[in-house]
Amino acid sequence: GENVEQHPSTLSVQEGDSAVIKCTYSDSASNYFPWYKQELGKGPQLIIDIRSNVGEKKDQRIAVTLNKTAKHFSLHITETQPEDSAVYFCAASNPLGGGATNKLIFGTGTLLAVQP
Amino acid sequence: SAVISQKPSRDICQRGTSLTIQCQVDSQVTMMFWYRQQPGQSLTLIATANQGSEATYESGFVIDKFPISRPNLTFSTLTVSNMSPEDSSIYLCSVGGRMGEQYFGPGTRLTVT
Repeated sequence: GENVEQHPSTLSVQEGDSAVIKCTYSDSASNYFPWYKQELGKGPQLIIDIRSNVGEKKDQRIAVTLNKTAKHFSLHITETQPEDSAVYFCAASNPLGGGATNKLIFGTGTLLAVQP
Repeated sequence: SAVISQKPSRDICQRGTSLTIQCQVDSQVTMMFWYRQQPGQSLTLIATANQGSEATYESGFVIDKFPISRPNLTFSTLTVSNMSPEDSSIYLCSVGGRMGEQYFGPGTRLTVT
């Protein structure tokens, strides 16, 4: 089955710097790659996603890149702010054999700390 | 995205007892999911809650331990049965969006003593 690896497990940056989190996946059939932000005491929040038909997607200070050949994708956060501090999870979809919603396999998470 | 609520938000339970967690969505959704997040860990899918049929469980999870109900398109329950301290986790429900994305509820923080 699908396996998703995520690095680094912890990341500390200065406010204003950029942060990059990387994930690799094993199942070449995966076609959907979301990123979630989880703040302490809350559920995961979908912040950006990318599908296999594009290589990059950007939303303000957040961008995601996908390399299907190498089977890896990355989250880029620019101009980091203290409120970006949270645990970030990547995920990859493993199709359920039809239907609009795919089963998600999650990475192990990255604790991002933005130092003011 | 849908607004998802869970009850209770947290609970402390004695071993050997059972707890039922509710998940309510403000709009009709086809697919709902239940996840477990052990302390400091990632999310693991327990089962897919299918409306009108039995839930589909992932490897390592069984219906006797985690019975699930899905009586309609806006509501589901997960029961954690015969609890032990190893069941202490955050339990999360999620719903599927039109394009295959998933949105999560706030979670239920369970401690078993």
